[in-house]
Amino acid sequence: KAGVTQTPRYLIKTRGQQVTLSCSPISGHRSVSWYQQTPGQGLQFLFEYFSETQRNKGNFPGRFSGRQFSNSRSEMNVSTLELGDSALYLCASSFTGARTEAFFGQGTRLTVV
Amino acid sequence: GQQVMQIPQYQHVQEGEDFTTYCNSSTTLSNIQWYKQRPGGHPVFLIQLVKSGEVKKQKRLTFQFGEAKKNSSLHITATQTTDVGTYFCAGPRVYGQNFVFGPGTRLSVLP
Repeated sequence: KAGVTQTPRYLIKTRGQQVTLSCSPISGHRSVSWYQQTPGQGLQFLFEYFSETQRNKGNFPGRFSGRQFSNSRSEMNVSTLELGDSALYLCASSFTGARTEAFFGQGTRLTVV
Repeated sequence: GQQVMQIPQYQHVQEGEDFTTYCNSSTTLSNIQWYKQRPGGHPVFLIQLVKSGEVKKQKRLTFQFGEAKKNSSLHITATQTTDVGTYFCAGPRVYGQNFVFGPGTRLSVLP
């Protein structure tokens, strides 16, 4: 079966702009989580969606938002980009959440200049 | 807040040597998972442990879940260059459905 698909793979944006990242989970998976990974840092949890509802949220400013559609596809939006937002953004899908295996997409590499 | 720690942060080994990374949680975990991320890649699920004291093996990899379900370890016997990467442990948040990931242990294997 197809894996988790994230688009775009690479993105370069200017400080102050906004960006939308997309994640298509594995068919049948209803939980989608987003993580930020920066060099030397671990996986920082952004938020998790389950059946179109945000179920959990990490400690990120309100500039980071997301949503999930009825087909479980998810989008993540970052407004008013800052240089520090440059990172690899990873999406992970799982059947129900943290008690089941998570499948990660290849990520979107965002560079803010 | 709930924390998951891993030691060491980095480990350099000669090919053929053994390697162990340790994971410690500030809270009791219902389960623990391990992931591997190759350089330039994304995390890939390795295994999930559920029972207290559980030990699971995958070829040269041995995973263990502590009796108190607050710690875990991953041991690799006779490392190979294909083992290079960062190994993360993760456990479910006490109040919530998302994972809490440890900071990872980066393994380098010198040929």
